[in-house]
Amino acid sequence: AQTVTQSQPEMSVQEAETVTLSCTYDTSESDYYLFWYKQPPSRQMILVIRQEAYKQQNATENRFSVNFQKAAKSFSLKISDSQLGDAAMYFCAYRRELGLYAGNNRKLIWGLGTSLAVNP
Amino acid sequence: DVKVTQSSRYLVKRTGEKVFLECVQDMDHENMFWYRQDPGLGLRLIYFSYDVKMKEKGDIPEGYSVSREKKERFSLILESASTNQTSMYLCASSGAGMLNEQFFGPGTRLTVL
Repeated sequence: AQTVTQSQPEMSVQEAETVTLSCTYDTSESDYYLFWYKQPPSRQMILVIRQEAYKQQNATENRFSVNFQKAAKSFSLKISDSQLGDAAMYFCAYRRELGLYAGNNRKLIWGLGTSLAVNP
Repeated sequence: DVKVTQSSRYLVKRTGEKVFLECVQDMDHENMFWYRQDPGLGLRLIYFSYDVKMKEKGDIPEGYSVSREKKERFSLILESASTNQTSMYLCASSGAGMLNEQFFGPGTRLTVL
């Protein structure tokens, strides 16, 4: 069974600095998708960035980028120029390639999250 | 703008009561999900649905049931609420595409006394 591990329950960063959140996963699949979600305090969970496993190029969305190491099964999130609004719980998630009988393939496997504090 | 709404932000119920949590999405999404979120345990999937009247158990379905009579609406039912079901409940929906993200509602914080 696939698992997702976020080894840092809590992290902090100074405003304007760069921080990297780690995520590792375990799978025997070769095709899958990886996601980082952000949950600000008392606000809705939103998608930050996603990566298709067959793509070697790391995904980037403005100040957010990933370091995807397929062989190492690692998918870390880098936040550059951290802002106060980046303070949130960050979740890493995995989804396998959807097949004919998608069923459980539709669901995401979630890490336990990393709580990020941004210090002014 | 895409939207997932949940019927209540906060709910207080008594042990043994039947509880309905409703979720509505306006994106014509095929898939809908119910999670519970507890500190230190992350998100745990209770049930999901990939079509009207279709449902599948997630990781922790015990004590819960679901209903999806219309595509836009997915209800979570606690037949007889217990104190260990006090939690934050999150609803999400996603389209059928492989890369489609899940869109989340604001959550319902349920307290069972």
